[in-house]
Amino acid sequence: DIQMTQSPSAMSAPVGDTVTITCRASQDINNYLAWFQQKPGKVPKRLIYVASTLQSGVPSRFSGSGSGTEFTLTISSLQPEDFATYYCLQHDSYPWTFGQGTKVEIK
Amino acid sequence: EVHILESGGGLVQPGKSLRLSCAASGFTLKNYAMSWVRQAPGKGLEWVSGISGGGGTTNYAESVKGRFTISRDTSNNTLYLQMNTLRAEDTAIYHCAKVEGYTSVWGQGTVVTVSS
Repeated sequence: DIQMTQSPSAMSAPVGDTVTITCRASQDINNYLAWFQQKPGKVPKRLIYVASTLQSGVPSRFSGSGSGTEFTLTISSLQPEDFATYYCLQHDSYPWTFGQGTKVEIK
Repeated sequence: EVHILESGGGLVQPGKSLRLSCAASGFTLKNYAMSWVRQAPGKGLEWVSGISGGGGTTNYAESVKGRFTISRDTSNNTLYLQMNTLRAEDTAIYHCAKVEGYTSVWGQGTVVTVSS
């Protein structure tokens, strides 16, 4: 099974900062990597798919990069509505696996 | 508009069974890979099971293999998750989701509580 190691598990940052979250896969996942945002009590929302494609309707301050086994979600100019928990998901091979999540809090 | 609605959750005793349903509208389930994803209270997301589009190959997380069965009924565009021999650690919100493709669609989820 492919393990997804996501870091950091939590972070605090002020509005306007640039935030970077990393997911490392235990083997090549052929860019089948998605990023989700989840706010308390809400359903996860996909932000990025196939590693770097921005989901329609998602602000351009969100971007995804990486290939092979290392992937990054970057949030440029953090906004108040961006405080949430973020998850990566590999869907290259079954069983699909999520990262452990990164909680982004206000500093 | 695409929409997913789960049902079938509830309170069940350990060792018992439950069947979850996922009714889709606005798209045809059998054309897409569909998944069940769960989230235990205060925990992260866990992929539980998936069924491929087309041929319908099924897959499971190790934690549920042999106990859960995913299936679909193409006549009523519904996905199911049969959950047997339930354990306390299966307590979670269960979401039905289309994760791949240009659009990702998630249902609001159905709550499963396993407790005596």
